Amino acid sequence: EDQVTQSPEALRLQEGESSSLNCSYTVSGLRGLFWYRQDPGKGPEFLFTLYSAGEEKEKERLKATLTKKESFLHITAPKPEDSATYLCAVRSGGSNYKLTFGKGTLLTVNP
Amino acid sequence: SQTIHQWPATLVQPVGSPLSLECTVEGTSNPNLYWYRQAAGRGLQLLFYSVGIGQISSEVPQNLSASRPQDRQFILSSKKLLLSDSGFYLCAWSVKGPGGYTFGSGTRLTVV
Repeated sequence: EDQVTQSPEALRLQEGESSSLNCSYTVSGLRGLFWYRQDPGKGPEFLFTLYSAGEEKEKERLKATLTKKESFLHITAPKPEDSATYLCAVRSGGSNYKLTFGKGTLLTVNP
Repeated sequence: SQTIHQWPATLVQPVGSPLSLECTVEGTSNPNLYWYRQAAGRGLQLLFYSVGIGQISSEVPQNLSASRPQDRQFILSSKKLLLSDSGFYLCAWSVKGPGGYTFGSGTRLTVV
């Protein structure tokens, strides 16, 4: 069974204070690792897809990296508008369709 | 461009009442469709997925059912709601093959 563990559960940063979120996974044949952002009361919004170890993707202040066991979402000089829950999900070779999600990291950026 | 519509946004229903949540996708054909539930303190739990009209797969035995009467329409139903059915319900779609999902805006269901 695919498993995704995200840490920390919650992270509070000052504006401009860079940090990283972690996503550890156990799957039988990774077919993609996905990062989403979710604002309160809304559906998750797609950020990145990573397919192989060593791959990196960037978007504004966010950078996602992937190893064979985990992924990191690096946040550089965050702003208050980056406050949200960040979700990690994996698709394995055992399922053509199902994404397995972690519980998320609640990020709060204080001005 | 593709869009996904989900309604209603919020719903308060008494225990034992029926439920019908609807989701439609525009701008694509033959999508995979999904219903997820998000409960407080828990991750997103896949409830049902569909790869085509009339084709429904259930991930978790429960008080709910799903139907896909048209290519881009996905419906989540219950005959009698339980308190434990409360949560945030999300519809999503994807193309067939590699790639992630696009989610709808969600329905907050409170069973009282």
